[in-house]
Amino acid sequence: EVQLVESGGGLVQPGGSLRLSCAASGFTFSSYEMKWVRQAPGKGLEWVSYISSSGSIIHYADSVKGRFTISRDNAQNSLYLLLNSLRAEDTAFYYCATVPTYYQDSRGYRVFDSWGQGTLVTVSS
Amino acid sequence: DIVMTQSPLSLSVTPGEPASISCRSSQSLLHSNGYNYLDWYLQKPGQSPQIVIYLGSKRASGVPDRFSGSGSGTDFTLKISRVEAEDVGVYYCMQALQTPPFTFGPGTKVDIK
Repeated sequence: EVQLVESGGGLVQPGGSLRLSCAASGFTFSSYEMKWVRQAPGKGLEWVSYISSSGSIIHYADSVKGRFTISRDNAQNSLYLLLNSLRAEDTAFYYCATVPTYYQDSRGYRVFDSWGQGTLVTVSS
Repeated sequence: DIVMTQSPLSLSVTPGEPASISCRSSQSLLHSNGYNYLDWYLQKPGQSPQIVIYLGSKRASGVPDRFSGSGSGTDFTLKISRVEAEDVGVYYCMQALQTPPFTFGPGTKVDIK
């Protein structure tokens, strides 16, 4: 069974830091590009960061650039997001997810796409 | 960056009746391979998003055939032929052509009358 399990969320003061982790299982983690997406309470989905399968290519949303750091450990099947200089507007559920991968097999086109259950980050004094 | 818009932003549907959601992108999502890189997600209450339609019109594994996706270029539609109670939630379109960034529409909340 494909699983992505996030951890590391919690309550932190403005200016503080957190490290989110995402444990992958049930698929060949090292073959897939990954991303972090966040969702403020009652709001829509906002892409946060992307990392290539090898970890050599990384991108960030402008809203977190310079404050957040994405990384991965393919040997440990894990994805990480280091959150620094946290602000109240960073309060959200943070989801790790695979980048949708389209492929063809004998039955036609397929998609591989998986999301974790999310971890809540609350930034408040 | 490609901007995604959706309409309506909320929809109340009688069970058994059809529903339709529109998604528009600021640039064409048509890839040179002939596929539109537009995905639809459903986020059920209290859950993470799950893919429903990919490449504009292909149903993801396990998705009932009452769901269909259509459109090309910049205009897309998600249709539910007969809404059931389990279909409630927020539907997001997402462009997958020029990534990153992965840009989502604002979401359409579907509930039952």
